[in-house]
Formats: sequence, structure tokens, C-alpha cells
Amino acid sequence: QKEVEQNSGPLSVPEGAIASLNCTYSDRVSQSFFWYRQYSGKSPELIMSIYSNGDKEDGRFTAQLNKASQYVSLLIRDSQPSDSATYLCAVQRGGGGNKLTFGTGTQLKVEL
Amino acid sequence: DTGVSQDPRHKITKRGQNVTFRCDPISEHNRLYWYRQTLGQGPEFLTYFQNEAQLEKSRLLSDRFSAERPKGSFSTLEIQRTEQGDSAMYLCASSLALGINYGYTFGSGTRLTVV
Repeated sequence: QKEVEQNSGPLSVPEGAIASLNCTYSDRVSQSFFWYRQYSGKSPELIMSIYSNGDKEDGRFTAQLNKASQYVSLLIRDSQPSDSATYLCAVQRGGGGNKLTFGTGTQLKVEL
Repeated sequence: DTGVSQDPRHKITKRGQNVTFRCDPISEHNRLYWYRQTLGQGPEFLTYFQNEAQLEKSRLLSDRFSAERPKGSFSTLEIQRTEQGDSAMYLCASSLALGINYGYTFGSGTRLTVV
């Protein structure tokens, strides 16, 4: 079982729709969770972090965390073509120098 | 200081040659990380430093790989006797050692192609 699992996609949504990206993790002691966006040929860019169960909203982005189910999700409202990218889920265990374990990413395509 | 800087951006080398990459972190950050990313995969942790001390190395980091961070400032990652399997994007990131991990910012990366 991979430590962090994501559906590779591609996930296609029409412009203006809500995109829902999901991630599961295997290590129950994981404490911090992150979503990164990566455009083709570029480095990952941090867009959201979440530490407690529930929802965290930042503009058009909402991160959701359920530690009991070991599940993290990212919702993108009013999806735009510029949101087309690969979204990486990253998980940090307690301690360990803030080392992150990444999933393989989900490719999102927002269609006109 | 506008972020993490990596040099070079691209490197093409022949198999068997040695290569060295440099990373300049955000100046006040005491932690520095190296990751490697291949096509279709997420970044994989290689090693990290707190100040000048290398505190953890991944099993991915074979003895052909060595990283240094002299004086706790910039860092170098050297790959000796490169192999085609070393072709990847090498990413550097930095952060402050805090109780909560606020996530870290990656540099633009060094794309290595071994031919």
C-alpha cells in the first residue's frame, strides 16, 4: 500500500464547475497535510495546508480533512482553465524534520 | 530575497560524468530539503539539513549521491558516475524549524538529463 494515494486522472470538469480532488494516506500518525499545484515543467507550488479535522477555506479552494478515515480532499470552486494542472497531496508525520511524503498527483483539466 | 534559488535550471550530461547542483535557500530558513521528481510521480524525499547538519537521508540516496551544506547556507547535491536512471527534476526547498509545519516553498528545480 502506498503511503499517499491519489487517482492519477485526468479529471475533466467544465469551466465554472466544482473540481473535487481526493487523497488517502496510510500512516495514522500523520499530522499535517498539504496540497500543491504543479504546472507542466514547473516546480510544485503550495496552495493549501490543513491540520485539523474539518474544512479550511481559502478563496476558491477548500481543503477537507478526516483523520478517522485517513482522507484529505481539495475542492476548487468556479474552476478556471488556469486551474488545469497536476495537484499533489503531501503528508507529514509527526517529528521527522517536516519531511513530506507526496502522492503521484491528480491531473485536472478544466474545459471551456 | 525572493525565494529558493537553484542552479543550473537544466543540465545535460553523458552517462558516467559527475554533476553538481546548487541550492540557495530563503536566507532566514535553517532547514533545507532535497527532493527528486520523475515524470508522472510526486517528489521523493532525498535528504534534509538543519543548519549545516545533514539529519536524514533516504534509502533512495545511493552512495553516488552526496549533499553538503557548508556553514548552514547554500547546499550542493553531487551525483557521481551518473546513470540514465538519474534523469529527473531535482528540487530544493527550505523552511524554518517550527513546531507546526506550514509547508515549504520549492525552488524552480534542476532538470537533469543523462544521455
